[in-house]
Amino acid sequence: GNSVTQMEGPVTLSEEAFLTINCTYTATGYPSLFWYVQYPGEGLQLLLKATKADDKGSNKGFEATYRKETTSFHLEKGSVQVSDSAVYFCALSRNSGGGADGLTFGKGTHLIIQP
Amino acid sequence: DTAVSQTPKYLVTQMGNDKSIKCEQNLGHDTMYWYKQDSKKFLKIMFSYNNKELIINETVPNRFSPKSPDKAHLNLHINSLELGDSAVYFCASSPSGSSYNEQFFGPGTRLTVL
Repeated sequence: GNSVTQMEGPVTLSEEAFLTINCTYTATGYPSLFWYVQYPGEGLQLLLKATKADDKGSNKGFEATYRKETTSFHLEKGSVQVSDSAVYFCALSRNSGGGADGLTFGKGTHLIIQP
Repeated sequence: DTAVSQTPKYLVTQMGNDKSIKCEQNLGHDTMYWYKQDSKKFLKIMFSYNNKELIINETVPNRFSPKSPDKAHLNLHINSLELGDSAVYFCASSPSGSSYNEQFFGPGTRLTVL
């Protein structure tokens, strides 16, 4: 079956540090890959996505590249801010064409940015 | 605002009670979902509906029964609540026919069973 593995954290960084959160996946076929972010007390917001190999998703300074050869979708940001403190979820979706597949999530990485 | 909304935001109840959580989306999507987030933040799909038809029913106790009166609504009814049902429940929606199944989430309902 499908699965997503990501570093659980908490990951604690100083403001302006470089961020990498690793994510690897197991899936049949060609899944779509996502990063969602959950701020304290809120729901999940889509941060970025990639739908095929070598696609790069980017948003708000965050980037992730769909690497089929290493089955990875690592999240990076060059300079983090205190406001980036949140829980980050890597997720995948099978592309079965019907669009009703549930997302398979990793366990989430709690990111803490200190001023 | 266009969004996925859920009510109530918080729900505290006693073991054995029956409760419902409502979800509505005004995004014009055909597919809606329920997810459960446990105390360790792990998210797992429970159900998905496409055009009011059940598509996914993961290994969920039959005390949980989703109801979709129309494409814009997917409610979750839970019978005989147990302590282990305490969690945050998220509703989500996505457009059908999407090649990448981007899902939009509601704010969540925190259910506490005492």
